[in-house]
Amino acid sequence: AQSVTQLGSHVSVSEGALVLLRCNYSSSVPPYLFWYVQYPNQGLQLLLKYTTGATLVKGINGFEAEFKKSETSFHLTKPSAHMSDAAEYFCAVSNTGGFKTIFGAGTRLFVKA
Amino acid sequence: NAGVTQTPKFRVLKTGQSMTLLCAQDMNHEYMYWYRQDPGMGLRLIHYSVGEGTTAKGEVPDGYNVSRLKKQNFLLGLESAAPSQTSVYFCASSLRGQGDTEAFFGQGTRLTVV
Repeated sequence: AQSVTQLGSHVSVSEGALVLLRCNYSSSVPPYLFWYVQYPNQGLQLLLKYTTGATLVKGINGFEAEFKKSETSFHLTKPSAHMSDAAEYFCAVSNTGGFKTIFGAGTRLFVKA
Repeated sequence: NAGVTQTPKFRVLKTGQSMTLLCAQDMNHEYMYWYRQDPGMGLRLIHYSVGEGTTAKGEVPDGYNVSRLKKQNFLLGLESAAPSQTSVYFCASSLRGQGDTEAFFGQGTRLTVV
């Protein structure tokens, strides 16, 4: 069975500071990993995804994530936070042959001026 | 290009009432999904469909029914609403059912059952 754990339901950073949102997964087969972002009163939209190949994945709005198999992690980072990054972020896992994506509980990012 | 559209956006129901949530996608996707989002629990899959005329149960199907009579539409029904069904409901669609495929989400329906 697959599962996703997001460490920290809320993360607060100052504008311009590093953003680090943590995600650990459990999967018995090679996973596909995703980060989605949800802005207030909107649906989820894809930030980035890892399928195969390069383990450092770049997404939209300056975000990136690194797949570390040995640590079963897929943490999301951004070097410098912007006020517009304030949103809820969801890590998700899926795998080959299945299409039921498992979502983490989400991490709400607050950005202080 | 509208993507995934959900109707209505907000609804308040009394316990025992019924309602249908409509999801429409214009991307010709085969796969469609209904999720519910509750605080601290992320998204949980209610029902899904792998094509027109097909439906299947997800993680939390009890109290809900679905239909996919047309490829572009996926309906979620509550026959007798309960307070435990107060939630935000999201519809999503994807081109393929393979695990590496991105899902596209609607804006959600906020349902309150009193």
